[in-house]
Amino acid sequence: EVQLVESGGGLVQRGGSLRLSCAASGFMFSNYAMHWVRQAPGKGLEYVSSISNNGVSTHYANSVNGRFTISRDNSKNTVYLQIGSLRPEDTALYYCASGLYDLWSGPLDYWGQGTPVAVSS
Amino acid sequence: EIVLTQSPGTLSLSPGERATLSCRASQSVGRTYLAWYQQRPGQAPRLLIYGTSSRAAGIPDRFRGSGSGTDFTLTISRLEPEDFAVYYCQQYGGSPLTFGQGTKVEIK
Repeated sequence: EVQLVESGGGLVQRGGSLRLSCAASGFMFSNYAMHWVRQAPGKGLEYVSSISNNGVSTHYANSVNGRFTISRDNSKNTVYLQIGSLRPEDTALYYCASGLYDLWSGPLDYWGQGTPVAVSS
Repeated sequence: EIVLTQSPGTLSLSPGERATLSCRASQSVGRTYLAWYQQRPGQAPRLLIYGTSSRAAGIPDRFRGSGSGTDFTLTISRLEPEDFAVYYCQQYGGSPLTFGQGTKVEIK
């Protein structure tokens, strides 16, 4: 059974930083791209970032480019999202998702339950 | 950035009825770079359709995706009680990936 378990969220002040983690199991992690998507309270889905299966290719939404960094450790079956220079508008539930393909771009196949991030002003 | 606009915002229908959801892109996303997701209240999204018209594993055949270029459609042939949810389209033909704002399918 595929499982994606996010952790690392919490309450942080404006300008602060956090490191989100997503531990994967139940599939060949190193074969697939990984993605982060967020959802502000009561709002829709917003794409955040993607990383290819081998970690070579990374992409970001314009709203987080330069502030967030995605990385992965295939030996630990874990993907990370370092989020910094946080703003109140970054407050959201952050989902980790596995890609259907190895490339950074593609549909998002399996999703975790999310880790909440709240940024106070 | 490719902007996806979904319509209508809310669709009020009865179980057994047909639902037609639209997703329009600000520029072409190609023929097969469009996906659809379902999100029930309190749950994570679930992949329904990828490649415009391919159903993901375990998705019943009452869900059908179609379209190309800038206009795409998700059709649910006969609504079941569990189908009342929010639906999002997503394009992966351009960088960055983007989602539509969602269509809520509610019970009439």
